[in-house]
Amino acid sequence: DSGVTQTPKHLITATGQRVTLRCSPRSGDLSVYWYQQSLDQGLQFLIQYYNGEERAKGNILERFSAQQFPDLHSELNLSSLELGDSALYFCASSPQTASSGNTIYFGEGSWLTVV
Amino acid sequence: DAKTTQPNSMESNEEEPVHLPCNHSTISGTDYIHWYRQLPSQGPEYVIHGLTSNVNNRMASLAIAEDRKSSTLILHRATLRDAAVYYCILTRSGSARQLTFGSGTQLTVLP
Repeated sequence: DSGVTQTPKHLITATGQRVTLRCSPRSGDLSVYWYQQSLDQGLQFLIQYYNGEERAKGNILERFSAQQFPDLHSELNLSSLELGDSALYFCASSPQTASSGNTIYFGEGSWLTVV
Repeated sequence: DAKTTQPNSMESNEEEPVHLPCNHSTISGTDYIHWYRQLPSQGPEYVIHGLTSNVNNRMASLAIAEDRKSSTLILHRATLRDAAVYYCILTRSGSARQLTFGSGTQLTVLP
């Protein structure tokens, strides 16, 4: 158990809909990361937040947005869903952003199926 | 981030050592070498990391070449539970900490 909690574990929704994925980082971790894993793209970094502020952006679509709240939990919002958005979405956390020696801890992921 | 090159797949027999190679010829002096693994239907899991010296922990050992252009993850006694995709990743000191995953090495452990 990494200590990173993601909900829901599985989600099936229709095209055009909007969903919210939730992540609770490990206790005390200030950084939260979101990754997308699909069969044809592998693990893709989407976005990082540090202590409530956006820190880095990766291959995140404009239809997707995220935020980190004062209690440090984070939500990833996916809107106008398309079939190609079906993937496993991982949240990860780490204590701080400055040192490359820090480990990143991943949650179990949220399986999103768009039908 | 500098790129890494890993074999697509490797096989090992159970209870034998496994050496997973990684080439990173464009590594810079401040790049850390990280290894993560991903078991089926699970999130990536930290295995080990190092900068210049060889490192050991309860899961594995990391052997880093003297010129740092390559490294090897060593699993001393492979178990069936070690079957996973292993990722070798470089991260630059001081940069944002997101990890850039390549395709990794799919390790198959044969009973």
